[in-house]
Amino acid sequence: NAGVMQNPRHLVRRRGQEARLRCSPMKGHSHVYWYRQLPEEGLKFMVYLQKENIIDESGMPKERFSAEFPKEGPSILRIQQVVRGDSAAYFCASSPPDRGPTEAFFGQGTRLTVV
Amino acid sequence: AQSVTQLGSHVSVSEGALVLLRCNYSSSVPPYLFWYVQYPNQGLQLLLKYTTGATLVKGINGFEAEFKKSETSFHLTKPSAHMSDAAEYFCAVSPMNTGFQKLVFGTGTRLLVSP
Repeated sequence: NAGVMQNPRHLVRRRGQEARLRCSPMKGHSHVYWYRQLPEEGLKFMVYLQKENIIDESGMPKERFSAEFPKEGPSILRIQQVVRGDSAAYFCASSPPDRGPTEAFFGQGTRLTVV
Repeated sequence: AQSVTQLGSHVSVSEGALVLLRCNYSSSVPPYLFWYVQYPNQGLQLLLKYTTGATLVKGINGFEAEFKKSETSFHLTKPSAHMSDAAEYFCAVSPMNTGFQKLVFGTGTRLLVSP
């Protein structure tokens, strides 16, 4: 059973470009969480999704950021018109239904660098 | 809002010495409590968690933590440090008012182990 897969592991974007980060949850997991880790800081919750539903997006910046978790395929975190402040490590976690963080596993993260 | 305080951004110990990493949370209702370890350029690995029951929790790699409600603390300990324990450690809580669906992280403590 493969773990939570995130790709790419490293992503470099110029200011103004779009960044797409992908997360494939563990088999049997239908809940996905995205967290952002800024340099020298802890992780901050961004969004919680179930298949085809956004459950809680209270941590998402109001503009330029969006997330989806379609019926088929990975969850996508999309950042439009990236700025230098978006440079961070973005982590995805997945869990089985109704288990939440108590049974969540984290991926290895995508490190986004905006130049 | 729920918060997590990790005292000491860096802790240095000698190999074989006791490891003590401190974590305090702010909440009138005990949340679920977690400790994660992050090795360089890696994702987060769960060390241990407390949800209910016995307040002394044993985790992987010889680590354990004790939930003390009166002190709102969940300090992480290991009797004898090993060089391979050098990493960043994050304390996290999952508050009841989020339905235990989110993780709120501390800012992390970097553990340095010297020979």
